[in-house]
Amino acid sequence: TQLLEQSPQFLSIQEGENLTVYCNSSSVFSSLQWYRQEPGEGPVLLVTVVTGGEVKKLKRLTFQFGDARKDSSLHITAAQPGDTGLYLCAGSTGGGNKLTFGTGTQLKVEL
Amino acid sequence: GAVVSQHPSWVICKSGTSVKIECRSLDFQATTMFWYRQFPKQSLMLMATSNEGSKATYEQGVEKDKFLINHASLTLSTLTVTSAHPEDSSFYICSASLGGLRYGYTFGSGTRLTVV
Repeated sequence: TQLLEQSPQFLSIQEGENLTVYCNSSSVFSSLQWYRQEPGEGPVLLVTVVTGGEVKKLKRLTFQFGDARKDSSLHITAAQPGDTGLYLCAGSTGGGNKLTFGTGTQLKVEL
Repeated sequence: GAVVSQHPSWVICKSGTSVKIECRSLDFQATTMFWYRQFPKQSLMLMATSNEGSKATYEQGVEKDKFLINHASLTLSTLTVTSAHPEDSSFYICSASLGGLRYGYTFGSGTRLTVV
């Protein structure tokens, strides 16, 4: 069983602050995705990374895939209350199409 | 874009009854759909992979006779929770992909099941 550990588990910050969420595993993933989920809704895909060392930017969000494809990070610049939600990383190994989800990071951004 | 519709969004049922949850891909065909379970403040746990025209593949520890999955068409998968008990109360979510992992998965809006 591949485990994806996210840290921190909970994060409460003020609007305008920066933050980084980490997703770590001992397994190598062929691809890794980040999702954001709001209460009572399904997760929404933010990004997919497939190449070791890859960095993708989506407005204020920066995603990085580790060189060894075992870890990833999500950095948010100048956080806003609208960024509040549960952030989930999810990875897939080999040629399979099943996703293993990380343990989740609950982010709260306050005014 | 790919849209996945899940119905109902919430349901309350009595212990011992069965509940059916539908997952539809609205604008694309999905040979494979996935069913997840999520407890409050926790991550998603994969329950089973639903395969169109064949039996579902269940994850270890998931009772296939309790969580019946039917994927009779390329746009519809159903999850039936049979003889539901209060411990089955949870948030159930389905997902499907337009073109595989590289394109990501689209998730339904989830079904909140409460068994009383």
